[in-house]
Amino acid sequence: EDKVVQSPLSLVVHEGDTVTLNCSYEVTNFRSLLWYKQEKKAPTFLFMLTSSGIEKKSGRLSSILDKKELSSILNITATQTGDSAIYLCAVPRRSNFGNEKLTFGTGTRLTIIP
Amino acid sequence: SQTIHQWPATLVQPVGSPLSLECTVEGTSNPNLYWYRQAAGRGLQLLFYSVGIGQISSEVPQNLSASRPQDRQFILSSKKLLLSDSGFYLCAWSQFGLTSTDTQYFGPGTRLTVL
Repeated sequence: EDKVVQSPLSLVVHEGDTVTLNCSYEVTNFRSLLWYKQEKKAPTFLFMLTSSGIEKKSGRLSSILDKKELSSILNITATQTGDSAIYLCAVPRRSNFGNEKLTFGTGTRLTIIP
Repeated sequence: SQTIHQWPATLVQPVGSPLSLECTVEGTSNPNLYWYRQAAGRGLQLLFYSVGIGQISSEVPQNLSASRPQDRQFILSSKKLLLSDSGFYLCAWSQFGLTSTDTQYFGPGTRLTVL
């Protein structure tokens, strides 16, 4: 059975700190890993990673995949209160219909203290 | 551009009552559609997915069901709600399934409280 594990489950830091969130996975036929940010409502897409060692960057957020270690990290530098959210990691797996479904980790709840 | 709608936004229902949550997608055709549930303190759990009209696959055995009466409409239902059905229900769509250039996009969600 496919598994996605995120750590830590919860993190509280002060504004301006840098944080690193972890995601490890066990899936058959791995092809990509996705990061989402969930605030009060629906998750919003952050990154899709398919190649090992290539960093994806968007502003203060960056993410990298390590296929050897079966893991990914999400970094947020110079955190702001608006970064407070649940960060979800997900890995697609192939369904019986041939399309793909997402297996999600439980998420990391990040709280930024002003 | 594509948009995804869900309603209602919030729902409070007594145990044993029926449920119908609706999701519609605009701006695309033949999308893959998904229903997820997020219980308090837990991750997203895939409930149902659909690759086309009338084609529904269930991920988790439960008292919920899903239907896709039209190409861009996905409905989540229950005949009798349980307390454990409380949670945040999210509908999502993707165009071709997940490839290296595609992903799932989520609706605004419905918060269901069963009392």
